[in-house]
Amino acid sequence: NAGVTQTPKFQVLKTGQSMTLQCAQDMNHEYMSWYRQDPGMGLRLIHYSVGAGITDQGEVPNGYNVSRSTTEDFPLRLLSAAPSQTSVYFCASSPPGYSWGYTFGSGTRLTVV
Amino acid sequence: GNSVTQMEGPVTLSEEAFLTINCTYTATGYPSLFWYVQYPGEGLQLLLKATKADDKGSNKGFEATYRKETTSFHLEKGSVQVSDSAVYFCAPAVGVGGTSYGKLTFGQGTILTVHP
Repeated sequence: NAGVTQTPKFQVLKTGQSMTLQCAQDMNHEYMSWYRQDPGMGLRLIHYSVGAGITDQGEVPNGYNVSRSTTEDFPLRLLSAAPSQTSVYFCASSPPGYSWGYTFGSGTRLTVV
Repeated sequence: GNSVTQMEGPVTLSEEAFLTINCTYTATGYPSLFWYVQYPGEGLQLLLKATKADDKGSNKGFEATYRKETTSFHLEKGSVQVSDSAVYFCAPAVGVGGTSYGKLTFGQGTILTVHP
């Protein structure tokens, strides 16, 4: 059981480049989320999805796009990378409801230069 | 808005010492409460949870009780091990916009280091 798989694990981008962070889960979880982790700030929610075809913004959505075409996959797109997007990104999934807790991926460390 | 206040770290203990990490929260509605642990270089792992008042969550020797009257969810362990060295996050989850999607609110986390 792989759980939540994120790729790549590390990435360096130049300012203005675009890229997609991949996230896949094999637990048939309906809910999926993207968080970013910055030093001294804990984790902050970027975007989330409650099912295929349904996405919504979290607290720091600017500069990021998401889509959810299947239950398994929830990619995060950076359209034009900025140094302020240097961070560690985590994808998480859960069954419906908020009493289950989330399963997190191992993260993608992104540096924008 | 929702917020979490965690005991500031880093916390440094000797092996077999007693651990308490304080956590208080503010949240709209009736949150579920979670403790997550992050080992170096890894993602977050769910450590334990409690979903209603007076529930006690427990796992791997760690415990925390949902105290609604004091809005607290303090983490305790009777005898820590070197392998418990990690960052610990307290996180309430509340439904967003009347939905059943639970947004987690994180604090800065508490760094725990356990020495032999």
